[in-house]
Amino acid sequence: AQSVTQLDSQVPVFEEAPVELRCNYSSSVSVYLFWYVQYPNQGLQLLLKYLSGSTLVKGINGFEAEFNKSQTSFHLRKPSVHISDTAEYFCAVIPLGFSGGYNKLIFGAGTRLAVHP
Amino acid sequence: GAVVSQHPSRVICKSGTSVKIECRSLDFQATTMFWYRQFPKKSLMLMATSNEGSKATYEQGVEKDKFLINHASLTLSTLTVTSAHPEDSSFYICSAGGGPEETQYFGPGTRLLVL
Repeated sequence: AQSVTQLDSQVPVFEEAPVELRCNYSSSVSVYLFWYVQYPNQGLQLLLKYLSGSTLVKGINGFEAEFNKSQTSFHLRKPSVHISDTAEYFCAVIPLGFSGGYNKLIFGAGTRLAVHP
Repeated sequence: GAVVSQHPSRVICKSGTSVKIECRSLDFQATTMFWYRQFPKKSLMLMATSNEGSKATYEQGVEKDKFLINHASLTLSTLTVTSAHPEDSSFYICSAGGGPEETQYFGPGTRLLVL
């Protein structure tokens, strides 16, 4: 079975400070990896994704993530956060290689990023 | 590109009535759409996967007779909550996509409150 663990439920940080949101996954097959952001009372917006190739992936709003296969991690980073980055962040994986015509997204529990002035 | 809309954004209904939520992919065709439910301060729970022209596939524990899903076209899927009860109050989110890159694009969500 596959699972996604987001190690921090909440991350408080001051404006302009760097931040890292941690994500580890467990899977017996290869996976695609995603980070989504959810602002209050809204749906999810794709921040970035890793499918293959370079392990450092750059996304929108200045975020980036690095895929580490040996540590089964996909941590999200931003060098300098803004107040507007306050939101819920979800790490997710799609395990590959299953039949059935579609592959389900498996979400972590989410990390609440709170940026303070 | 890859915009998904949901309608309505908020709905309040009386217990026992039925509510329909629409999910549309505005600028692409989606053979597969997904319906999620999200409880306050929780992650998304996949309810069902909707494939155009065929019956939806429900996750374990989700009542298919209560949550009716129809995917009549490549751009529209609907979720009908039948005989709604207060415990059905929640935030319902759809997504569309799949394909070679498996990227799902999410709608803005529908807040359902059953009184």
